[in-house]
Amino acid sequence: EDQVTQSPEALRLQEGESSSLNCSYTVSGLRGLFWYRQDPGKGPEFLFTLYSAGEEKEKERLKATLTKKESFLHITAPKPEDSATYLCAVQAMSGGGADGLTFGKGTHLIIQP
Amino acid sequence: DAGVTQSPTHLIKTRGQHVTLRCSPISGHKSVSWYQQVLGQGPQFIFQYYEKEERGRGNFPDRFSARQFPNYSSELNVNALLLGDSALYLCASSFGEKLFFGSGTQLSVL
Repeated sequence: EDQVTQSPEALRLQEGESSSLNCSYTVSGLRGLFWYRQDPGKGPEFLFTLYSAGEEKEKERLKATLTKKESFLHITAPKPEDSATYLCAVQAMSGGGADGLTFGKGTHLIIQP
Repeated sequence: DAGVTQSPTHLIKTRGQHVTLRCSPISGHKSVSWYQQVLGQGPQFIFQYYEKEERGRGNFPDRFSARQFPNYSSELNVNALLLGDSALYLCASSFGEKLFFGSGTQLSVL
């Protein structure tokens, strides 16, 4: 069974204070690892897809990295508008190629001015 | 371009009732997926449909069913509602492997 564990559950940072969110996963053949951002009352918003160990992707103040067992979402000099829940998800290889995503519980990030 | 639209936004039902949730995908997207998100948890996969055929099913009871129409819109049906079905139901359309989520339908079962 595919599993995704995110830590910490919640994180409070001061504006400008950089940090990292962790996503540990077990999957029977990784097809892709996804990072989403979710604001209260809204659906998840796509951030990144990573496919293989060693891959990195960046977008503004966010950088995602991937190893064979975990992924990190690094947040550099965050601003209050970066406050949200960050979700990690994996998709397994399958013959049909139509498996759904397995999500973690998310990290609730608060950036204080 | 309009994003994924879901209706209704909120719904209150009582135990034992039936509910139908609706989703319109982004124009040009032929795949629709449904997820259930309980408060404090990540979304959990229910179904995926592509070109009107079921392509994937999560670990949900047979009370949950779905279908996709020729215009690629979709319905999620839940029969014999239980208190534990209270959740945010998310629809996502996809082009390739990137999912685009709607804002969801908040279902409360009393």
